[in-house]
Amino acid sequence: GQNIDQPTEMTATEGAIVQINCTYQTSGFNGLFWYQQHAGEAPTFLSYNVLDGLEEKGRFSSFLSRSKGYSYLLLKELQMKDSASYLCAVTTDSWGKLQFGAGTQVVVTP
Amino acid sequence: EAQVTQNPRYLITVTGKKLTVTCSQNMNHEYMSWYRQDPGLGLRQIYYSMNVEVTDKGDVPEGYKVSRKEKRNFPLILESPSPNQTSLYFCASSLEGTSGAYSTDTQYFGPGTRLTVL
Repeated sequence: GQNIDQPTEMTATEGAIVQINCTYQTSGFNGLFWYQQHAGEAPTFLSYNVLDGLEEKGRFSSFLSRSKGYSYLLLKELQMKDSASYLCAVTTDSWGKLQFGAGTQVVVTP
Repeated sequence: EAQVTQNPRYLITVTGKKLTVTCSQNMNHEYMSWYRQDPGLGLRQIYYSMNVEVTDKGDVPEGYKVSRKEKRNFPLILESPSPNQTSLYFCASSLEGTSGAYSTDTQYFGPGTRLTVL
């Protein structure tokens, strides 16, 4: 079977840093996506990692270790608007097939 | 404006009454996909399409059909809806598939269709 695990909820203070972990066990692997989804809205693309290492995009960074089946999304200098669900998704060997974790709800408090 | 549109946005229907949810993109994207989102289960892929007349099953295709006769449109068809298909549905598109050289290209999601089957 395929498994993509991430914590259900995390709480952090405005201005702080939060790290959202994602572990996966899939029959194939080509890359890993992170999406942000505000309540009642569509997901929006944040990052895509295919090689090991850290990708930085402004306040958001994403890390991948293929050998460990592990990724994390790092949110720095948290803002209230970062309160959202963060979705980890893995693309397997099949062209176009994408599997999501259940999402991590991040709550940013003042 | 680059966008993915879905219609209807909200639909309440009854068991067994065939329905179609339309999805259209104006970005000349090759890849399109349908997902359903349920509490605690996250997004699950129903079907995807790599190009015109090329479609394949995702993880939860049972009870759904799709077609890709034109590049811009990817309708989702429920021939005989049942209450367990009550969900929030999203259509998405991107320039290329999820494993290609341009996978880092932005993937666009439609606004969602909230379907209730009584």
